[in-house]
Amino acid sequence: EVQLLESGGGLVQPGGSLRLSCTASGFTFSSYVMAWVRQAPGKGLEWVSTLTGNSDVTFYADSVKGRFTISRDNSKSTLYVEMNSLRAEDTAIYYCTRHMYNSGSIYDSWGQGTLVTVAS
Amino acid sequence: EIVLTQSPATLSLSPGERATLSCRASQSISTSLAWYQQKPGQSPRLLIYDASNRATGIPARFSGSGSGADFTLTISSLEPEDFAVFYCQHRYQWPPTFGGGTKVEIK
Repeated sequence: EVQLLESGGGLVQPGGSLRLSCTASGFTFSSYVMAWVRQAPGKGLEWVSTLTGNSDVTFYADSVKGRFTISRDNSKSTLYVEMNSLRAEDTAIYYCTRHMYNSGSIYDSWGQGTLVTVAS
Repeated sequence: EIVLTQSPATLSLSPGERATLSCRASQSISTSLAWYQQKPGQSPRLLIYDASNRATGIPARFSGSGSGADFTLTISSLEPEDFAVFYCQHRYQWPPTFGGGTKVEIK
């Protein structure tokens, strides 16, 4: 069974930093493109960032480019996102997602999410 | 970026009724569209990909259709567990974007 477990969320002040982690199990992690998708409270879904299986290609939403860095450690089956210069509008549940194999941006598995709150 | 517009915003139906949800793209996206279901307090779940392919484990009452810029998600006969928010999402080009969602509520 595919499982994605996020951690690292919490309350952070504007301008602060936070690192989220996503530990994967139940599949060959290194073979899959992974992504972060977020959802502001009571709002819709927003793609944040994507990373290929061997970490050679990254994509970022314009809203986070230059502030967020996605990375992975395939030996630990873990995906990360380092978030700097956080703003109130970054407040959201952050979901770790897996791309369907060889499919492009189709998110076939989702974690339970971790809440990031940016407030003073 | 491609904008996806979902309609209606809310659909009030009774169990057993047919639900028809619409997603319109701001430009042609071929069949590069997926649908997700999100129940309160839960993560989204993939229902349909590439416009008409059911994801693993998704019941046959869920079907998707469309191509180009107009897409439809149909639930042939609503079960009590189907009431939720549904999102469409394209993968035609970067960035992938989601529609604003349609809430299917119990009438």
